[in-house]
Amino acid sequence: EIVLTQSPATLSLSPGERATLSCRASQSVRKSLAWYQQKPGQAPRLLIYDTSNRATGIPARFSGSGSGTDYTLTISSLEPEDFAVYYCQQRSNWPPITFGQGTRLEIK
Amino acid sequence: QLQLVESGGGVVQPGRSLRLSCAASGFTFSSYVMHWVRQAPGKGLEWVALISHDGSNKYYADSVKGRFTISRDNSTNTLYLQMNSLRAEDTAVYYCAKGLAYIGNSFDSWGQGTLVTVSS
Repeated sequence: EIVLTQSPATLSLSPGERATLSCRASQSVRKSLAWYQQKPGQAPRLLIYDTSNRATGIPARFSGSGSGTDYTLTISSLEPEDFAVYYCQQRSNWPPITFGQGTRLEIK
Repeated sequence: QLQLVESGGGVVQPGRSLRLSCAASGFTFSSYVMHWVRQAPGKGLEWVALISHDGSNKYYADSVKGRFTISRDNSTNTLYLQMNSLRAEDTAVYYCAKGLAYIGNSFDSWGQGTLVTVSS
């Protein structure tokens, strides 16, 4: 099973700042990595699939990069609605499909 | 527009069974891989099961294998999760999720979730 480790667990930033969230895999996931955003009481929302492809309707301030075992979600300039929990997910080696434990992005 | 609506959750005693349903609309249900993903209270996301577009292939997380069964009815656009021998650790919000086109194993649409509580 591929284990995904996200860092930091919590990120405290202000609106307008740049956010960088990391996801490290226990073995290469060959760019088959997605990112989701989840707000309290809501279902997750797909942001990025296959490392760098934005899902339909996702603003350009969200971008993804990485390769091998190390991946990054970048939010270029935080908007108030971006404060949420973010999860990475791999589909390279399955079953099982696995998620990271999440990074909470909170307002500083 | 695309909708996934789960139902069937509730409070159930350990060892009992429950069947969840997910009614799909707004897309060609029979063309897509579908999944169940769960989230225990205050915890992260856990993939539970996958079913291919035609129901011929099914895969499960080890934590539910042999106890849960995923199925679908493409004539009624409905996804199911039959959960047997329920345990306290199965307590979670259960989401149905649609697989992304051509990349079945990421999830581009989610239902609102249904809460399953396993407790005596």
